[in-house]
Amino acid sequence: NAGVTQTPKFQVLKTGQSMTLQCAQDMNHNSMYWYRQDPGMGLRLIYYSASEGTTDKGEVPNGYNVSRLNKREFSLRLESAAPSQTSVYFCASSEAQGGAFFGQGTRLTVV
Amino acid sequence: GDSVTQMEGPVTLSEEAFLTINCTYTATGYPSLFWYVQYPGEGLQLLLKATKADDKGSNKGFEATYRKETTSFHLEKGSVQVSDSAVYFCALTTRGSNTGKLIFGQGTTLQVKP
Repeated sequence: NAGVTQTPKFQVLKTGQSMTLQCAQDMNHNSMYWYRQDPGMGLRLIYYSASEGTTDKGEVPNGYNVSRLNKREFSLRLESAAPSQTSVYFCASSEAQGGAFFGQGTRLTVV
Repeated sequence: GDSVTQMEGPVTLSEEAFLTINCTYTATGYPSLFWYVQYPGEGLQLLLKATKADDKGSNKGFEATYRKETTSFHLEKGSVQVSDSAVYFCALTTRGSNTGKLIFGQGTTLQVKP
């Protein structure tokens, strides 16, 4: 049982380049999330999807877009990467109040 | 808005010492409370949870009790091991939300020395 799978694990981008982070879960969860983790700031919610076909902004959505492709997959896109987007990105999924399950993370560096 | 505050780290302990990591929260409504653990280079793992006042969550020797009167959910372990070295996050979700989106504290780094 893979849980939540993210790709890629590492990425280096130049300022202005675009990329898509992929996420898939096999737990049949309705809700999926994208967080970013920065030193001393915990995890902050970028976007989330309460169910297939819906997406909503979180705390720090600027510079990102998301797509809930189906119940399993939730992708995060950076259209024009900036150094401020250097971070570790985590995808997660959950059912309501049960607690979320996280992927292994994508370490992104924008130079 | 809702928020979570954790004690600042790093916390450095000797093996077999008693651990307490403080966590307090501010929330409208009645949140569910969680502790997550992150080992170096890995994602977050759910350690324990509590969904209503006076509930005690426990797992792997760790415990935390949901205290509504003090809005706290402190993490404790009676005897830590070197393998417990990690970053610990306290988090909440607001009851009644149709999602499980989490609000995190800033994390507390625990280092256990042999």
